[in-house]
Amino acid sequence: DTEVTQTPKHLVMGMTNKKSLKCEQHMGHRAMYWYKQKAKKPPELMFVYSYEKLSINESVPSRFSPECPNSSLLNLHLHALQPEDSALYLCASSQDPLTRNTEAFFGQGTRLTVV
Amino acid sequence: DAKTTQPPSMDCAEGRAANLPCNHSTISGNEYVYWYRQIHSQGPQYIIHGLKNNETNEMASLIITEDRKSSTLILPHATLRDTAVYYCIVRGSTLGRLYFGRGTQLTVWP
Repeated sequence: DTEVTQTPKHLVMGMTNKKSLKCEQHMGHRAMYWYKQKAKKPPELMFVYSYEKLSINESVPSRFSPECPNSSLLNLHLHALQPEDSALYLCASSQDPLTRNTEAFFGQGTRLTVV
Repeated sequence: DAKTTQPPSMDCAEGRAANLPCNHSTISGNEYVYWYRQIHSQGPQYIIHGLKNNETNEMASLIITEDRKSSTLILPHATLRDTAVYYCIVRGSTLGRLYFGRGTQLTVWP
């Protein structure tokens, strides 16, 4: 099983709303990632969790707040977003954060629209 | 992580081999070459990766030149479902970071 599951698939939220994106994997992977992808652009790394601890924050605005409650689950909490934050949000996981020789598996993403 | 250069687009006839090139002239000795593809509006799909030897799996073959400055992804018998953006990524960082470049839009035509 190489599945990373993201919910919801689509989300429409107002600029004053608070919402959360969820990502799950049951492969025993200890690295999890959030990426953001705008239309016709490549995915951009946002956050990296290594052994449930936040290891990398790529200067992401504080209106995006990641959380890793356990080794299988990754959340992205959203608050006071702007319309320009509308994008496809991708979650990924890989087995060992400390090796370069391990592939990452991506979920199908959450399509977020901020109105 | 070393940067990569890929052609923005390529075409291939269905049933023929698709050969997608990637230049990574600044790659260092411990950096791996990864290939992913992304079909429209879906999550990126892992294809293959390698360090210095050629690699083959059920999806594709990866040919890395001896000096490691370039590589080629080969889809041996392209189908319409192989139409996607293909990303070549050089991965040197720990913590598993993958940095995507612009990729190559491969269009397979009937």
